[in-house]
Amino acid sequence: RKEVEQDPGPFNVPEGATVAFNCTYSNSASQSFFWYRQDCRKEPKLLMSVYSSGNEDGRFTAQLNRASQYISLLIRDSKLSDSATYLCVVSTGFQKLVFGTGTRLLVSP
Amino acid sequence: ETGVTQSPTHLIKTRGQQVTLRCSSQSGHNTVSWYQQALGQGPQFIFQYYREEENGRGNFPPRFSGLQFPNYSSELNVNALELDDSALYLCASSSGGAGRNTEAFFGQGTRLTVV
Repeated sequence: RKEVEQDPGPFNVPEGATVAFNCTYSNSASQSFFWYRQDCRKEPKLLMSVYSSGNEDGRFTAQLNRASQYISLLIRDSKLSDSATYLCVVSTGFQKLVFGTGTRLLVSP
Repeated sequence: ETGVTQSPTHLIKTRGQQVTLRCSSQSGHNTVSWYQQALGQGPQFIFQYYREEENGRGNFPPRFSGLQFPNYSSELNVNALELDDSALYLCASSSGGAGRNTEAFFGQGTRLTVV
């Protein structure tokens, strides 16, 4: 079983739609949680950290459920520029990041 | 721009050869981690260096080795290249060190093709 599991997609949505990504992680000792965004053939970039209380950054909302070992990302009012692969990432606190396979999002006009 | 630079950006090598990839970390960062990203997969942790010492290693064979220099730049060496080593190799720098989790900034990667 992979440490971090995500639906690879692709998710095809029209502009303006709301889309949600989920991921699960297996290591209960995980302490830090992130969503990274990766554009085609580019490096991953931090989108947002994820906290148990939930956090929001503009159109993006992330949630963490430690009991279920589940992380989510909600994107509202999708833009064409949101098309990318979204990587769910966990860490045990020693700088080693464990990435999921990524979920590909395609936003169409 | 993250301030993390990797060289070269692309490389083609023959099976059995050796390769060295380089990474210059962001100013003020003392920790460098290396990741391998195969096509269609998420990055996989290879190892990490903190103040010139290896500080954790993923599930990679010993033919993957590294160095960190006093200026915190780093090298990844791969011996006896195999076809499955073809991937994007990413370097990430951070200021955390052992036990601390701070944001990691990735370089643009080196795309290695083994033929």
